[in-house]
This record gives sequence, structure tokens and C-alpha cells, in this order.
Amino acid sequence: KQEVTQIPAALSVPEGENLVLNCSFTDSAIYNLQWFRQDPGKGLTSLLLIQSSQREQTSGRLNASLDKSSGRSTLYIAASQPGDSATYLCAVNQAGTALIFGKGTTLSVSS
Amino acid sequence: KAGVTQTPRYLIKTRGQQVTLSCSPISGHRSVSWYQQTPGQGLQFLFEYFSETQRNKGNFPGRFSGRQFSNSRSEMNVSTLELGDSALYLCASSPPGVTGELFFGEGSRLTVL
Repeated sequence: KQEVTQIPAALSVPEGENLVLNCSFTDSAIYNLQWFRQDPGKGLTSLLLIQSSQREQTSGRLNASLDKSSGRSTLYIAASQPGDSATYLCAVNQAGTALIFGKGTTLSVSS
Repeated sequence: KAGVTQTPRYLIKTRGQQVTLSCSPISGHRSVSWYQQTPGQGLQFLFEYFSETQRNKGNFPGRFSGRQFSNSRSEMNVSTLELGDSALYLCASSPPGVTGELFFGEGSRLTVL
């Protein structure tokens, strides 16, 4: 059974810092992996989707990497800003199942 | 292009009542999924509908049900509400051709008293 883990559960950094969020999964047989952002009380916003054949995807200050063989993905945020404060979730997609989510990392960026 | 629309956004019910939540997907999206989000369990999959057929179902009791209409709009229903059903219920739609890519609505916040 696939399990997705995100460590740390919470992270506080000063504005301007570069940071890395981690996601690990137990079964490497995935189609793709997706990173989402969730603001308090809101829905999820898709940030990046990495297909299983890809190693990384970039969007603006965000870069997500995928290492299927080791069951790991990272989300790199460059030059963090207070507006980046949110919960970040990763989710994996496998054949015959719905997306399986981690419990997220809550990021707080102070000015 | 309008996003995924969920109604109502907030509602309060008492134990034993039932509730119906509605979801309108992005135009052109035929797949709709429902998730329950709680602080303790995180996001848990409820069910997925495609072309009015339930394609996948999570591990929830039969009190949780759903359906999809010919225009791809979906509803979910929870009967005999329990305190533990208090949660944010999220609906997501998927574009054709991209496996697993989900676009979420803002959710319906259900409080059961």
C-alpha cells in the first residue's frame, strides 16, 4: 500500500531564504507526482506536476525534482517571500487508484 | 475560464441530519473526484466519477454517496451525520488526457454539532 510522507510537518524561515520541502513515497510504481499549495481554509492550487519519466519541473521560483528509484521528491523554493506562507502537499498517482496525498508541510515565512 | 465551483461554502448541521454538496467542474472536464480533509487524517479520497459512472471509491461507509449528471456536475450526499463528519470536503476535476492532474475547488466546510 502506497504511503506518502512529508517532513518536516512545519517550517519557519526568514524572508529571502532558499528552502527545500521533502516528500517520500514507498512504492516507486507511479505515473506522476504533483505538488500543491493550500492556503488556510481554501482549496488546493496545483504548483507542479512531474511525470514519472521526468526528473524535474520548474515554474518561476519553484523547482520540483523526482527520484523514482529512491521514492523521493523535493520542492525547492528560491528567495522565499511572506506570500509563500501556506501548506504544501505532495501527491502521487498510481494505476487504478486516486491521488494519494502526504499530510503536508506548513511553511511560515517571516518578513 | 471558470474554476471548479463548490456550493455551499459553509454549512452547519446536527447529528442525524443529511447533507448534499454540489460541485461544478471546469468546462470540458468530465472527471470529478471528491476528498475529505480533516486535521488528523489529512486528505482522504471519497470517490471519482467519469461520464456519470463511479470509477473509483475510497474506504468510507455507505452513508457517503455521490452521483454525476450528464453535464458533469456532481453531488455528494452524507446521511445520518456524525460528529466525525465535520471536515472540509473538496471537489476536483481532471482534464482529459492528463492522468492524475487535478484542479480543486475552494471546498465546502461542514460542521456537525
